[in-house]
Amino acid sequence: GAGVSQSPRYKVAKRGQDVALRCDPISGHVSLFWYQQALGQGPEFLTYFQNEAQLDKSGLPSDRFFAERPEGSVSTLKIQRTQQEDSAVYLCASSLSRALATTNEKLFFGSGTQLSVL
Amino acid sequence: DQQVKQNSPSLSVQEGRISILNCDYTNSMFDYFLWYKKYPAEGPTFLISISSIKDKNEDGRFTVFLNKSAKHLSLHIVPSQPGDSAVYFCAATRRSNTGKLIFGQGTTLQVKP
Repeated sequence: GAGVSQSPRYKVAKRGQDVALRCDPISGHVSLFWYQQALGQGPEFLTYFQNEAQLDKSGLPSDRFFAERPEGSVSTLKIQRTQQEDSAVYLCASSLSRALATTNEKLFFGSGTQLSVL
Repeated sequence: DQQVKQNSPSLSVQEGRISILNCDYTNSMFDYFLWYKKYPAEGPTFLISISSIKDKNEDGRFTVFLNKSAKHLSLHIVPSQPGDSAVYFCAATRRSNTGKLIFGQGTTLQVKP
């Protein structure tokens, strides 16, 4: 596709429900990031993939959060037993090579999935 | 601990004038800095970047200045246009790392016609 695609665009979940958020990066992009953006804040790093390898998951807030990218393209962020504090916009971003390895390397963001936990 | 800070939540300027957005960071290991622009209901889009080996980078109406000793960077937009109205995020990273970006809280710029 032309850009990073995320689905669903909006997700409303009841507290305790499991959710799965999908990211389709730009075709051929090696690096993929997930960020969480709370209302009025900047995006916060969750996890990073280089192809299918999850190289950094230091930003995942708890073991209820799990991300995968099994074939090195599409990625899924899963949140188990959702809590109200999980309500945020979840952004996916991709880049062509190892992220920001060279000057002018750009990170392309999707429009995000807005998750509301009631 | 907020490693990247944008202390002004909002800024309003007149069309044609200069907009100056500021950003401070605390981690001296950061070696690459970026500005992103975000419209409502869209993801952030890359605007301009600067490496720590430089103190200025210019791209059309946009210039980023880096003061490493003060751990401060700024984005200048000249002249400002109504279409520039958006939220601007400053971000920093260590390129030797995974390249994950640390973002500031954002500054909402309003350019009045």
